[in-house]
Amino acid sequence: ETGVTQTPRHLVMGMTNKKSLKCEQHLGHNAMYWYKQSAKKPLELMFVYNFKEQTENNSVPSRFSPECPNSSHLFLHLHTLQPEDSALYLCASSQVGLSGNTIYFGEGSWLTVV
Amino acid sequence: AQSVAQPEDQVNVAEGNPLTVKCTYSVSGNPYLFWYVQYPNRGLQFLLKYITGDNLVKGSYGFEAEFNKSQTSFHLKKPSALVSDSALYFCAVRDMIRAAGNKLTFGGGTRVLVKP
Repeated sequence: ETGVTQTPRHLVMGMTNKKSLKCEQHLGHNAMYWYKQSAKKPLELMFVYNFKEQTENNSVPSRFSPECPNSSHLFLHLHTLQPEDSALYLCASSQVGLSGNTIYFGEGSWLTVV
Repeated sequence: AQSVAQPEDQVNVAEGNPLTVKCTYSVSGNPYLFWYVQYPNRGLQFLLKYITGDNLVKGSYGFEAEFNKSQTSFHLKKPSALVSDSALYFCAVRDMIRAAGNKLTFGGGTRVLVKP
């Protein structure tokens, strides 16, 4: 059990569907992240939010749309995805300003695009 | 720019033997260094970190890592490996300078297989 909860754990969606991944952190942190992990590439940072403000977008296609309504919740809205977007999507959080700014991850959401 | 290299895709070790997972890094300034472990079908779990101070850092599950500034390395070690240590291990680095922000750069991962 971690302090970062992701739902759903598994999602299968068609290329024309719209779905969302949800993340909630219970650690009192002020920064949240989305990472993508696929078999062929190392961990890729997608988005960073500090105090609800997006501070980094790592050239992510617009079919991925993040939303951070408050410091505890983060969403990743998905639409018109491609099969190559199938991957494990990891949410994470950290406390900016603390020594080292250690990032803590959720269990991930396995996404399959068919 | 910051980068991490994990030169071994896989490490095989017999249970009870010492385990070492290698990591080298590159940053502009001084580094914050991290190790994470990922068990099958799970997220990444934080193992340990180097911020400053003692070069030998102790972490969870009996793991430790040694920071070597001259060799720009941060190898993960465990004196006696267990079958349950079989997992994917990631090294990560963040530059201490403010401009680096929150960005944590990960290595490609090393798969550890501990055989009974």
